[in-house]
Parts: sequence; C-alpha cells; structure tokens
Amino acid sequence: QVQLQESGPGLVKPSEILSLTCAVSGYSISSGYYWGWLRQSPGKGLEWIGNVYHTGSAYYNPSFKSRVTISVDTSNNQFSLRLTSVTAADSAVYYCARDFTFYSGVASWDAMDVWGQGTTVTVSS
Amino acid sequence: DIRVTQSPSSLSASVGDRLSITCRTSQSVGTSLNWYEQKLGKAPRLLIYAASTLQSGVPLRFSGSGSGTDFTLTITSLQPEDFATYFCQQSYSQPYVFGGGTRVHIK
Repeated sequence: QVQLQESGPGLVKPSEILSLTCAVSGYSISSGYYWGWLRQSPGKGLEWIGNVYHTGSAYYNPSFKSRVTISVDTSNNQFSLRLTSVTAADSAVYYCARDFTFYSGVASWDAMDVWGQGTTVTVSS
Repeated sequence: DIRVTQSPSSLSASVGDRLSITCRTSQSVGTSLNWYEQKLGKAPRLLIYAASTLQSGVPLRFSGSGSGTDFTLTITSLQPEDFATYFCQQSYSQPYVFGGGTRVHIK
C-alpha cells in the first residue's frame, strides 16, 4: 500500500525559504510516475505547484515563476519542495501526491491517486 | 492556462437523494477530467478519472460523464458519508487546474 508523508517546518518567516519533504513508502520512486506538490488555502482553493520524475525532470506551475524547485532523492525514496521569498499568501496546507498514469490501449490519463495527509504551513514573523 | 468552473459551489441534500455537480473547462480537455472528494481536515481522494472511470474501491453510486468542455459527477442515493466537498480537475495540460469545489451539506 503506497503511503506519502509530508514533513517540514509549520512556521516560516516572510521572505525566507519554505522547505518540505515527502517520504514515500510502499512504492519505489525509481519505478516511475511523477510525484507532485499541491497546496490548498481558503483564498485560492487547490493549486497544483508542480511535479518531478525519478530522473529529476520537473514541471512547475508558471504562477510560481522562478520561486519553486522540486527535487527527488531516490536513495531515500523521497522528494522535496523548495519555495523561496515566501509571503503570507503562501500560507496553506501543502500536500504531496503521486501523479499516476492510467492506460487504455494507446490512450493515457493522469490523476493524483495517492495523497499525503497534508501539512499546514504558516508564513508569519 | 485552462480555466475550470464548477457549479454549484454549495448544495443541500438529504440521504437518498440523487445529485449532480457540473464542471466546465475553458477549452476542450477531451476526457482528461478527474473528480475528487474531500472531507473536513483530510486530503482529497480520487473518485473518478478519465471523466467516467471509477477509481478502485469507489462505490458504484458515483458516476462521471462528459467530454470536451462539459462534465458531470452524479451521486445516486446519497449516503451519510457522502457529505463532503467535491472537486474536478483537468489533467489535459499543465498546469493542472482544479475547480473551486462543491460543498454538499445536509438539508
């Protein structure tokens, strides 16, 4: 059974760096699929931040411009989020999730099929 | 980015009711549309992918339909555990975008 668990500071000061890690159990990241970060706040709803493949290839939501980096650590079976220059608007519940690809013949579809429980991050001095 | 509009944002229903939630995208996404359920304080749970395919373990009272830009999530015979918030999400192109959510509460 695949499980994901987020960890990291619950409080970050404005202008500093938000760093979170997602530990994966029950599945080897090296076996495939993309692994993503999302966040949820009352003001902006659910937002997709980006995802990363086990090779390190990553895709980001342009809304985060150059502030975001998602990296993978296959030796420890985990992946991480780094968000710089945070403001109060970055306060949210952050989730990690597996971006699973479903196949039917030559067609394929993506969906987030396994999620971590979420971790609340508050940006405040 | 593809915009995703979900309606209604909230609805009241009773146990046993049939209800439908709609999702519209700003451009065609084919059938690359997913539905999630979220209960208070919990992470979203995948219900339906590819517009109409039920995720493993999801009860048969849930169904999805649609293609192109218009999609529907239907719950037949609403159960007490179905009172939650439902989100649609387009996975046709990145950045993935979610609808604003539909909160289903007890009438």
